Amino acid sequence: EAGVVQSPRYKIIEKKQPVAFWCNPISGHNTLYWYLQNLGQGPELLIRYENEEAVDDSQLPKDRFSAERLKGVDSTLKIQPAELGDSAVYLCASRGSEPDKYNEQFFGPGTRLTVL
Amino acid sequence: ELKVEQNPLFLSMQEGKNYTIYCNYSTTSDRLYWYRQDPGKSLESLFVLLSNGAVKQEGRLMASLDTKARLSTLHITAAVHDLSATYFCAAMINYQLIWGAGTKLIIKP
Repeated sequence: EAGVVQSPRYKIIEKKQPVAFWCNPISGHNTLYWYLQNLGQGPELLIRYENEEAVDDSQLPKDRFSAERLKGVDSTLKIQPAELGDSAVYLCASRGSEPDKYNEQFFGPGTRLTVL
Repeated sequence: ELKVEQNPLFLSMQEGKNYTIYCNYSTTSDRLYWYRQDPGKSLESLFVLLSNGAVKQEGRLMASLDTKARLSTLHITAAVHDLSATYFCAAMINYQLIWGAGTKLIIKP
């Protein structure tokens, strides 16, 4: 079974440019998360989807960040315009929809963004 | 404030030694998770602890949970170089996964 797929793995852009990240979750996983991870820190939630609905986007900086999951499968996270402080690793995770006492999240490899 | 604190944040140890990483969380949690992250790689789930007194072991790693003390530990027995990585704990609090800052573990031959 394929894991969570993210692309690109690395992205270098100049400040004020737009950038987009793509995530394909594990097949059948209805819940999808986008996290931001700064160097030496734990992940910070940006947004959580249940199917195509964003059920928790309270920590998404909506002035420049946007996300979509139109068909409830893969998702795109966009930053426009990017700032120097956006340099980080952007992680996507998914979780199965079946009742499961563990509620584990499975993570993709991340996209490392460098803003110059 | 929802907070998860790990210590130490950095640990350098010799192969063959034992050590423990501590994870404290600020309020009642449904579940406690331990993840491993290798440089440039994804987060890999190690353990999920559900109840007070839960103990899980996999190879040289053992995780435990004390919900009354709001404390989880990850114990490393007879460390080997392959266990070098960053270890994160995360607590499920109010349906959110709150993460610690991670413990970077370096095991020297």
